[in-house]
Amino acid sequence: QKEVEQNSGPLSVPEGAIASLNCTYSDRGSQSFFWYRQYSGKSPELIMSIYSNGDKEDGRFTAQLNKASQYVSLLIRDSQPSDSATYLCAVWNGAAGNKLTFGGGTRVLVKP
Amino acid sequence: DTEVTQTPKHLVMGMTNKKSLKCEQHMGHRAMYWYKQKAKKPPELMFVYSYEKLSINESVPSRFSPECPNSSLLNLHLHALQPEDSALYLCASSQEWYPGLAGMNTGELFFGEGSRLTVL
Repeated sequence: QKEVEQNSGPLSVPEGAIASLNCTYSDRGSQSFFWYRQYSGKSPELIMSIYSNGDKEDGRFTAQLNKASQYVSLLIRDSQPSDSATYLCAVWNGAAGNKLTFGGGTRVLVKP
Repeated sequence: DTEVTQTPKHLVMGMTNKKSLKCEQHMGHRAMYWYKQKAKKPPELMFVYSYEKLSINESVPSRFSPECPNSSLLNLHLHALQPEDSALYLCASSQEWYPGLAGMNTGELFFGEGSRLTVL
């Protein structure tokens, strides 16, 4: 079992719709959770951080964390063609390895 | 614009060459990282420096040699690389990195634009 799992996609979404991305992780001791956006050929860009159960909203992005079920999700509202990218889920466990573990990424395509 | 600057953006080298990748950050961060990313794969951690000391080496071959001259600079020296080492090399920084102290490190990493390396 991979430590951090994501559906590779592509997730095809019409412009203006909601894109829903999911991520599951195996280490129950994980403490910090992140979503990075990576455009083709570019470096990852941090777009959301979440540390406690529940929802966190930032503009058109909402991150949701459920530690009991060991999943974290990202919703992108009013999706735009510029949101077309690969979204990487990343998980941090400060007590085990103390490093960021990335999922394989979900490719999102927003079609006009 | 990223506050982590990497040079060069592109590098082509032969297997006998010696070259270096450079990274600089001006955010006052005390931890810096090197990651390697192959096409359609997530970034893989290579090295972590905390307060200018090497804290993690993910069993990286010795043909990759990191160096942290000061808290703002991080280098990756390359020697006798193989074609399979061709990849995007990403530098990142974070505010702090405290090994073994759960909860002290939020894990927010800020990446540079990367150096795309091709080994012929």
